[in-house]
Amino acid sequence: QVQLVQSGAEVKKPGASVKVSCKASGYTFTNYDINWVRQATGQGLEWMGWMNPNSGNTGYAQKFQGRISITRNTSMITAYMELSSLRSEDTAVYYCARRPGAGTLGARYFDYWGQGTLVIVSS
Amino acid sequence: DIQMTQSPSSLSASVGDRVTFTCRASQSISSWLAWYQQKPGKAPKLLIYKASSLESGVPSRFSGRGSGTEFTLTISSLQPDDFATYYCQQYNSFPYSFGQGTKLEIK
Repeated sequence: QVQLVQSGAEVKKPGASVKVSCKASGYTFTNYDINWVRQATGQGLEWMGWMNPNSGNTGYAQKFQGRISITRNTSMITAYMELSSLRSEDTAVYYCARRPGAGTLGARYFDYWGQGTLVIVSS
Repeated sequence: DIQMTQSPSSLSASVGDRVTFTCRASQSISSWLAWYQQKPGKAPKLLIYKASSLESGVPSRFSGRGSGTEFTLTISSLQPDDFATYYCQQYNSFPYSFGQGTKLEIK
């Protein structure tokens, strides 16, 4: 069955960077885009960006441009989201989510999600 | 950017009730809308895509309607497992965006 398993919780100081991993199983990793969505405590969902694991092409929400990098290691069937220059407002649960399509093909909703990774930014 | 607005923000209902949530987009998104259910401490779960298509494995008491800017999610007969927060998401254009959620509570 399809699974996305994320790395564990992180505590970071303001100004630092965090890198969250998302390991895929149960499907062909390179055939489906991976997206990242975050959720601050008690708040709604916020889309951050996407990556095509086959090409490595990415796209990011304007809000995170310059601070976010989504990459992959195809041999390890793992996607990564790195966020830099962390501030307290970045404290949230970060989710990876699979899109049932890739590139210009297929739909753009999210059919499978990782379990979430809590990132706490605190001095 | 497309703004998604859900109403109500919270709703109290009883097991067996029929409930409807509304999601409005700030501009037309055709039928490119999904609905998710989220329980505390868990990842969102896909319920509906393309406004009215039921995801595999989701009970048929869930249904979605709408196109353009106005959409609804209906649960025909509430079950105890349905008490959760529901989010809509537009995927018509980047950046994808979510509504702020409707929290469904037990009356």
